[in-house]
Amino acid sequence: SQELEQSPQSLIVQEGKNLTINCTSSKTLYGLYWYKQKYGEGLIFLMMLQKGGEEKSHEKITAKLDEKKQQSSLHITASQPSHAGIYLCGADKVTNAGKSTFGDGTTLTVKP
Amino acid sequence: DAGVTQSPTHLIKTRGQQVTLRCSPKSGHDTVSWYQQALGQGPQFIFQYYEEEERQRGNFPDRFSGHQFPNYSSELNVNALLLGDSALYLCASSRRGAYNEQFFGPGTRLTVL
Repeated sequence: SQELEQSPQSLIVQEGKNLTINCTSSKTLYGLYWYKQKYGEGLIFLMMLQKGGEEKSHEKITAKLDEKKQQSSLHITASQPSHAGIYLCGADKVTNAGKSTFGDGTTLTVKP
Repeated sequence: DAGVTQSPTHLIKTRGQQVTLRCSPKSGHDTVSWYQQALGQGPQFIFQYYEEEERQRGNFPDRFSGHQFPNYSSELNVNALLLGDSALYLCASSRRGAYNEQFFGPGTRLTVL
């Protein structure tokens, strides 16, 4: 069974619109990461959340980790074509274990 | 500062063959992890190397083996290739104890015919 569930699987938005991607775990997360991937390429680190209630932003992308540390959301404000790609959430099940598990990704298309 | 590099970029093999993929970690990193990413799925952890030894392993058969060299670079070997081994193989490097700062390479696309 998938340990990290991402929703939606795919998303098509008009340029300039806001969007949210969710990542849910059935277990407490010790570290939650968000990555962006262009098709067939490596993962680009966006941000990491560790503390319940933590929120981080990078340019127009904001990520939050809920208080119970079992769900995270990634929000993009005023989307641009450069935001298109696959967004993956990853997590460590044990503190600092270095053995990350990933969701299956959300494919984002931004229409100009 | 070069990031994580992987070679080759693409590879085509036939069933039953053996393949070796290579990874050079980011400067200052001593730990290398390997992941397999099938089309449309998230990366799956294969194993991790530190101090030239396999430290952790995911749910992959013994056909998957690896090695880490004194300069921290690493190889992933897959024997008796199956069609299902076709995937993007990603290498990630980090510093021991700082796994939350994993940097990924561009990957090697393996196609098994």
